[in-house]
Amino acid sequence: KAGVTQTPRYLIKTRGQQVTLSCSPISGHRSVSWYQQTPGQGLQFLFEYFSETQRNKGNFPGRFSGRQFSNSRSEMNVSTLELGDSALYLCASSLALIGRVSDTGELFFGEGSRLTVL
Amino acid sequence: AQSVTQPDIHITVSEGASLELRCNYSYGATPYLFWYVQSPGQGLQLLLKYFSGDTLVQGIKGFEAEFKRSQSSFNLRKPSVHWSDAAEYFCAVVNSGGYQKVTFGTGTKLQVIP
Repeated sequence: KAGVTQTPRYLIKTRGQQVTLSCSPISGHRSVSWYQQTPGQGLQFLFEYFSETQRNKGNFPGRFSGRQFSNSRSEMNVSTLELGDSALYLCASSLALIGRVSDTGELFFGEGSRLTVL
Repeated sequence: AQSVTQPDIHITVSEGASLELRCNYSYGATPYLFWYVQSPGQGLQLLLKYFSGDTLVQGIKGFEAEFKRSQSSFNLRKPSVHWSDAAEYFCAVVNSGGYQKVTFGTGTKLQVIP
């Protein structure tokens, strides 16, 4: 079973540009979450999508947005990039079988997309 | 609201020594508890999880964790650390009812010295 795939793995952008990151979850997983990881702030939750709907959102400005497609693949977009947006962006998928005891909320992470903003 | 505290930001141990990483949580009921490991530049990988039953949980790579309800703790242990265990370790809690929200601790970075 293929794992979570994130593309691109590395990218360099300049301030003011925008970027789109992609995440393909494990087959059958309905939930996709995004995290930003930086040395100073640690692991911070961006948002979570389930069945094409954003279910939960962290404390990030509106420049950060996302969406999920009918096949559960997800994209996140950051507009008007700032230097502080340089980070490792991690995507995680989970079964999200609401109410099912067998689903304990385990997350399966991709290897991340390393964004550098110059 | 649930929360997770990892009081140790950085820990250094000698290869072959024992290891214990601390994790305390706050949640009204018994949550689901996880430990993840992250090698440099990589995503997080699940080490082990607790959701019910035996409070001593075995995971991959020789790690184990013990759920102590009275102390609201879920500490990670390994009897003998290997140099390849150098990584960052994250404790996470998931509420056990309704919408499953995941809350991560701030992580503990483990350095292993020869």
